[in-house]
Amino acid sequence: AQSVAQPEDQVNVAEGNPLTVKCTYSVSGNPYLFWYVQYPNRGLQFLLKYITGDNLVKGSYGFEAEFNKSQTSFHLKKPSALVSDSALYFCAVRDPGSYIPTFGRGTSLIVHP
Amino acid sequence: EADIYQTPRYLVIGTGKKITLECSQTMGHDKMYWYQQDPGMELHLIHYSYGVNSTEKGDLSSESTVSRIRTEHFPLTLESARPSHTSQYLCASMGLAVYNEQFFGPGTRLTVL
Repeated sequence: AQSVAQPEDQVNVAEGNPLTVKCTYSVSGNPYLFWYVQYPNRGLQFLLKYITGDNLVKGSYGFEAEFNKSQTSFHLKKPSALVSDSALYFCAVRDPGSYIPTFGRGTSLIVHP
Repeated sequence: EADIYQTPRYLVIGTGKKITLECSQTMGHDKMYWYQQDPGMELHLIHYSYGVNSTEKGDLSSESTVSRIRTEHFPLTLESARPSHTSQYLCASMGLAVYNEQFFGPGTRLTVL
């Protein structure tokens, strides 16, 4: 069975400050991990993924995520937040043998000017 | 341009009506999915398909049905809409490789009066 947890419903950060959105997972084998962003009244948009290799993954719009196998985490980070980053962020995990991802409940990121 | 489309974007109908939500993708993806999402909330998988003539129910019990007669088209039908069906419906697709990410449509926001 696979599961993912996003422990924070909401993250508040000031513009220009670094941001972190947390994600932990549980999967039987080596995980495929994904981050998506959703703006109001839109579908989800892919940001980045970890499949294998380097633990630090770089994605769209300056976002990056660090895969930590020992802590089973895949936190999303950005060095300097923008007001336009304010959105709903979803972490997802997939067992390599499955085509059905499990999504977290989502974290609302609010970046204050 | 490769993309995934959903129509209508917004729909308000009365109880008991039959409706079909359309989803089409131009990427030739074999896998397609339907999710139900209340505003700002988590995603619930209601149907998925691994290819033509393949459809499966997801985790969330749903009174909807789907069909996959063509690779690019994955419509969702509600035979008799009820107020409890009021929600946002997201369509997604994924390509052949197991490590691929999902591509999401813009969603259909359904209101049943």
